[in-house]
Amino acid sequence: AQSVTQLGSHVSVSEGALVLLRCNYSSSVPPYLFWYVQYPNQGLQLLLKYTSAATLVKGINGFEAEFKKSETSFHLTKPSAHMSDAAEYFCAVAVGGSYIPTFGRGTSLIVHP
Amino acid sequence: DAGVTQSPTHLIKTRGQHVTLRCSPISGHKSVSWYQQVLGQGPQFIFQYYEKEERGRGNFPDRFSARQFPNYSSELNVNALLLGDSALYLCASRLNAATNEKLFFGSGTQLSVL
Repeated sequence: AQSVTQLGSHVSVSEGALVLLRCNYSSSVPPYLFWYVQYPNQGLQLLLKYTSAATLVKGINGFEAEFKKSETSFHLTKPSAHMSDAAEYFCAVAVGGSYIPTFGRGTSLIVHP
Repeated sequence: DAGVTQSPTHLIKTRGQHVTLRCSPISGHKSVSWYQQVLGQGPQFIFQYYEKEERGRGNFPDRFSARQFPNYSSELNVNALLLGDSALYLCASRLNAATNEKLFFGSGTQLSVL
């Protein structure tokens, strides 16, 4: 079975500060991992995807995530938060034969001026 | 190009009623998936369709059903609505089913059951 756990339902940072959103996965086979973002009243958009090609994955809007097998983690980071980054962020996992991602509960990112 | 479109955007129903939600995928996308997102939680997978055939089903009761049409648009039907069915229903499309390429999501249909 595949699953992800997102630590912290809410993360609050100041504008310009480092953003760190945590995700741990559970999978018995090498996983595909994703980060999606959801802005208010919108659907989800893909930020980045891990497919085993490289452990450090760069995405859109300055976000990146590092796959750490030993820690079963895929944390999302951004060096400097912007007000426009305020949104709900979802980590998701899929295993090769399924092709259907399982989403975490989400982390709400709050950015203070 | 138009993205994934869903209709209606909002819907209010009462318990026991039936509802039909509609989705048009991005042009050229043959796979459509449906997700339920309850407030404060992540999307939960309901169905995946590809070439008009069901390719996956999540842990939802038989009150939930779906179909895909020859033009690849899709409908999600929910019978005998319960209060707990209140949620945002998201449709997502991609080119094929057997792939881990990204999903393109619509903005969803907000269903309220009173």
